[in-house]
Amino acid sequence: GDSVTQMEGPVTLSEEAFLTINCTYTATGYPSLFWYVQYPGEGLQLLLKATKADDKGSNKGFEATYRKETTSFHLEKGSVQVSDSAVYFCALSATSGTYKYIFGTGTRLKVLA
Amino acid sequence: NAGVTQTPKFQVLKTGQSMTLQCAQDMNHNSMYWYRQDPGMGLRLIYYSASEGTTDKGEVPNGYNVSRLNKREFSLRLESAAPSQTSVYFCASTPAAANTGELFFGEGSRLTVL
Repeated sequence: GDSVTQMEGPVTLSEEAFLTINCTYTATGYPSLFWYVQYPGEGLQLLLKATKADDKGSNKGFEATYRKETTSFHLEKGSVQVSDSAVYFCALSATSGTYKYIFGTGTRLKVLA
Repeated sequence: NAGVTQTPKFQVLKTGQSMTLQCAQDMNHNSMYWYRQDPGMGLRLIYYSASEGTTDKGEVPNGYNVSRLNKREFSLRLESAAPSQTSVYFCASTPAAANTGELFFGEGSRLTVL
């Protein structure tokens, strides 16, 4: 079945460091891919998305490119801030027509001043 | 600008007790979802409702029931709570007829079963 695998955390970085959080997926067909962010005590909110191969989603300095050939959707940011500390979830929309979204296990990011 | 509203935010139950988690969205969305979030497990789908009048099982439906009361409301019921159901529960909705759209989440309901 469809699945999402993302790197385990926690990831601890200093402010202004470069961030990469890896995400790979398994799916039939051509799913849409998403990154969600969860700040402490809050629900998840969409960070960015890509709906077809080679699309690049971007928001708030974060970017991810939908790579069909490597089945990946890695999240990157050139210079992280303390305010980026959160849990990041990679997700895909299942392509079986069942309205399902599949989430990875989440990666906790901690940015130190 | 309420979005997705969940109640209650916190609840403590004893094993065997029942309760209902309420969810309402004011965005006129068609599809609604219930997830549970456990450490190291990410979000797992319990039930979803693709449209008013329909509900379907997700990945972990055992021990739960749902009701899509109308287009706005989607409730999750635990008939006989067990400690394994201690978790944070999230309701979500999306307008999309096909699942390419963004999921909008509530703030979560933290449930502890003793």
